[in-house]
Amino acid sequence: SSVVTQEPSVSVAPGQTAKITCGGDNIDSQSFHWYQQKPGQAPVLVVYDNSDRPSGIPERYSGSKSGNTATLIISRVEAGDEADYYCQVWDRITDHYVFGSGTKVTVL
Amino acid sequence: QVQLVQSGAEVKKPGASVKVSCKISGYSFTSKYLHWVRQAPGQGLKWMGMINPTGGRARYARNFQGRLSMTRDMSTSTVYMDLSSLRSEDTAVYYCARARETSGHYYFDYWGQGTLVIVSS
Repeated sequence: SSVVTQEPSVSVAPGQTAKITCGGDNIDSQSFHWYQQKPGQAPVLVVYDNSDRPSGIPERYSGSKSGNTATLIISRVEAGDEADYYCQVWDRITDHYVFGSGTKVTVL
Repeated sequence: QVQLVQSGAEVKKPGASVKVSCKISGYSFTSKYLHWVRQAPGQGLKWMGMINPTGGRARYARNFQGRLSMTRDMSTSTVYMDLSSLRSEDTAVYYCARARETSGHYYFDYWGQGTLVIVSS
């Protein structure tokens, strides 16, 4: 199946912007989805279809996609944004759902 | 409100089987596919497979073929994940998740709370 890669960690000061990227092969025509996971908790959907936000997710969370790379953007970062973030995509070759390797966001 | 409530933690010996349940409420049981995702300690999320509650047809990730079975009980709106021939590498938190579709793309909008399965002799 496809390997979907993310940077292992991102550090950001409060009030600044965090950007997390996700990319891989065989996924250029697919939509990317993003999840936030805090320690000991289930993942929470924060962005779907590259750039849409579920109800209840702050506008500070946004997403974009270019080619086979997607980006999750967290604006005006707060301490509560500290978590692991995973992208997810459907691999059309294997018909499997694939998660990225995960990015740990640390708020300085 | 939509809820996915999973069964409690399990401790199993190598070679045994484990069955984890996920009870759905707050929406029509047959309207959405349900998936299972697992997370080994300190590791990322890994998709295991999915089940269509309407007909009960399931599809599994290649890595679990032959050891994994997903079923559902329409009378209780519950789906089950059964993993056999357990080994230490199967120690993980197992999540059920509801799939939602827009324009042919699927993502997971609601998740169960997770079930810890420990495989140890």
